[in-house]
Amino acid sequence: SQKIEQNSEALNIQEGKTATLTCNYTNYSPAYLQWYRQDPGRGPVFLLLIRENEKEKRKERLKVTFDTTLKQSLFHITASQPADSATYLCALVLNTGFQKLVFGTGTRLLVSP
Amino acid sequence: DGGITQSPKYLFRKEGQNVTLSCEQNLNHDAMYWYRQDPGQGLRLIYYSQIVNDFQKGDIAEGYSVSREKKESFPLTVTSAQKNPTAFYLCASSTGRLDEQYFGPGTRLTVT
Repeated sequence: SQKIEQNSEALNIQEGKTATLTCNYTNYSPAYLQWYRQDPGRGPVFLLLIRENEKEKRKERLKVTFDTTLKQSLFHITASQPADSATYLCALVLNTGFQKLVFGTGTRLLVSP
Repeated sequence: DGGITQSPKYLFRKEGQNVTLSCEQNLNHDAMYWYRQDPGQGLRLIYYSQIVNDFQKGDIAEGYSVSREKKESFPLTVTSAQKNPTAFYLCASSTGRLDEQYFGPGTRLTVT
């Protein structure tokens, strides 16, 4: 069966450390993979996109890797801050004739001062 | 400011009533989407529209209906046939190519 999995347990880290979130999938062949941030009671906000032929993408303190052999993406936030506390969603982008996104359940990140 | 608006933010209805959720965008995007989010589950696609006057069922369309009469508007009706309508509903739009989706602030619907 098709699955996309993110760690359902919250990740607690101290300010200044690097947070690493994992997204694993099975039986999908995504064209792209996206990461979104969602704050409580609000809509997701796009952060980064990585294509299947890209190994790594960076944007300021954010870094995403994409390993299509392992079927895994890692999302890193370096020098984390309390303001980074939120739920982070990964989404597979399937090229099915339209832009279909399949979302993981998200991982909640808590950064303590 | 460009963006997506959804209204209302909170909506309460009695069981058996139909209810329509509003979604408007001024990003000039061709594609629009409706998702449902439940605790412990990822966003699930209800309906999508790639162009005006055309829309398609997503993964969980039963009990829902939509229209796309204008490029900027994509309202969702939750009908009485939807068995578990209480949820957080999110509208999104995109250019329709393989790029990011822009989400609205969401509508939390509670049916009792």
